[in-house]
Amino acid sequence: NAGVMQNPRHLVRRRGQEARLRCSPMKGHSHVYWYRQLPEEGLKFMVYLQKENIIDESGMPKERFSAEFPKEGPSILRIQQVVRGDSAAYFCASSPVAGIRVNEQFFGPGTRLTVL
Amino acid sequence: AQSVTQLDSQVPVFEEAPVELRCNYSSSVSVYLFWYVQYPNQGLQLLLKYLSGSTLVKGINGFEAEFNKSQTSFHLRKPSVHISDTAEYFCAAERSNDYKLSFGAGTTVTVRA
Repeated sequence: NAGVMQNPRHLVRRRGQEARLRCSPMKGHSHVYWYRQLPEEGLKFMVYLQKENIIDESGMPKERFSAEFPKEGPSILRIQQVVRGDSAAYFCASSPVAGIRVNEQFFGPGTRLTVL
Repeated sequence: AQSVTQLDSQVPVFEEAPVELRCNYSSSVSVYLFWYVQYPNQGLQLLLKYLSGSTLVKGINGFEAEFNKSQTSFHLRKPSVHISDTAEYFCAAERSNDYKLSFGAGTTVTVRA
């Protein structure tokens, strides 16, 4: 059973470009979470999605950031018009269920975004 | 909001020596607590978790942690480390019936021969 997959592992963009980060959850998992790790900081929750639904995006910046998890295919975190402050490691996690009982979130290797 | 503090950013340790990584959390409600390890260029892997019950939790690779409610701490320990334990370690908390994990800033453990 393959783990959570993220690609690309490293992404370099110039200011103003768009960044697309992809996450394929573990087989059988229908819940996806995105976290961001800024330099010298811990991971910060961004968004929680189920298939075709955004459940909680309270950690997402209001502008330029969006996320989706379509019925088919990976979850996508999209950052438009990137700025240097977007440089960070972006981690995706997945779980089979969420909510009432604690379910372990399985993490991918992360995408390291560098904005020049 | 949940807050997790890892008191040490860097911990150098010699092989076969013991190590303790400190973690404190702040919460007025019940929480679940976790320790994750991140090896270079890999994702986070769960070491252990505290949900309820016994305050001493044993995890993989010989690690254990003790939940101390009065001190709001969840320190991670290993009695004898190996070179392969060199990694970054993250403490995390999740409020009961929530799903968002709050992470500490991480502790980098470097094991030397």
